[in-house]
Amino acid sequence: SQQGEEDPQALSIQEGENATMNCSYKTSINNLQWYRQNSGRGLVHLILIRSNEREKHSGRLRVTLDTSKKSSSLLITASRAADTASYFCATDLYSGGGADGLTFGKGTHLIIQP
Amino acid sequence: NAGVTQTPKFQVLKTGQSMTLQCAQDMNHNSMYWYRQDPGMGLRLIYYSASEGTTDKGEVPNGYNVSRLNKREFSLRLESAAPSQTSVYFCASSELLAGGRLFGPGTRLTVL
Repeated sequence: SQQGEEDPQALSIQEGENATMNCSYKTSINNLQWYRQNSGRGLVHLILIRSNEREKHSGRLRVTLDTSKKSSSLLITASRAADTASYFCATDLYSGGGADGLTFGKGTHLIIQP
Repeated sequence: NAGVTQTPKFQVLKTGQSMTLQCAQDMNHNSMYWYRQDPGMGLRLIYYSASEGTTDKGEVPNGYNVSRLNKREFSLRLESAAPSQTSVYFCASSELLAGGRLFGPGTRLTVL
């Protein structure tokens, strides 16, 4: 089944710097979602971007989607220690035919150094 | 709103034992899901319920059963636990299948 693949697998930056992580996928999607998971916790939904959208913002988060390259990026600006977490992209193939369609990647582990 | 709640938080079972993981949401969401998360892997869907009264298999349903008790509650049952079912289990809900998921805090299950 299709799966989003995040890159890099791990990223360590200094507090205050920007963090960029990427997601690539294989076939056409209806939407793509980004989630954050702090250690030992459940996932938190960050942003959903539809296939007809190119960019979305939410606070310090910016998500882009390039359907021609089948890729998305998540940018976190002015990073903080609290941003330390794993970030997952999930691609949605839901067709209304009864399939769940949401497939998660393995995640990017982001560490913000104080 | 409490969102999505799961019980228990931790559980240790012996091979062959059975148990039920409970999940409830107070968001009036239509769809509910059970995922498992294993080290180095993304979340994998076990079962989902698109709406009250329906359930469907996901990617890894073998060894599990589910019940959508009502709109709020969706339980996952392990009839005969195996060590391969050692994992962290997450319940989630969403208003629509195509929407973002709201996750519970997870149940950490160890099968000896």
